[in-house]
Amino acid sequence: DQQVKQNSPSLSVQEGRISILNCDYTNSMFDYFLWYKKYPAEGPTFLISISSIKDKNEDGRFTVFLNKSAKHLSLHIVPSQPGDSAVYFCAATRDFGNEKLTFGTGTRLTIIP
Amino acid sequence: ETGVTQSPTHLIKTRGQQVTLRCSSQSGHNTVSWYQQALGQGPQFIFQYYREEENGRGNFPPRFSGLQFPNYSSELNVNALELDDSALYLCASSFGLAGGYEQFFGPGTRLTVL
Repeated sequence: DQQVKQNSPSLSVQEGRISILNCDYTNSMFDYFLWYKKYPAEGPTFLISISSIKDKNEDGRFTVFLNKSAKHLSLHIVPSQPGDSAVYFCAATRDFGNEKLTFGTGTRLTIIP
Repeated sequence: ETGVTQSPTHLIKTRGQQVTLRCSSQSGHNTVSWYQQALGQGPQFIFQYYREEENGRGNFPPRFSGLQFPNYSSELNVNALELDDSALYLCASSFGLAGGYEQFFGPGTRLTVL
């Protein structure tokens, strides 16, 4: 039972344009969502998060949007840079403070120079 | 500040064998979580240790066991290895039972079971 889904295994975007990565979840009990970025041979690195009481959170070039009614979140990266090429994982958890994360399968983002 | 380290980097075992993976948490962190990442999948939560006690477990059989030491480093033990145990095993450390964003991941141990 895949409770967090990333339906696009890969995405290619030209440098300077906007990258949009999508994530859907099925468990309505999830109330905290995170995006992690992973380079080869490294562990996932936290990127940005959002609580279910918000619908948007920004951090520099990264913005996460949450649509609770649709159980959907997205990560926007603008402008996209070559260093953004990585695998991006969406993750969710119940109760902020509950450290158990449920991850999606990841989307490989490739930024084309 | 030393980050999360894991050893070994790679490991090859045969079916039925036992394996121990090690994790050193980031300085100041007292909580360690273990995840299994199969090829093409996202990480799956195995269990977590907080101050040397297991604090939560995912959907993994009892042959997956762990330990946390007084210095907060941790071991993951897997008995009776099966082919499907081949995966990247990730360790993440944090301070207290904090939210997921405060988890810092190590580079992982790649286990291959033949």
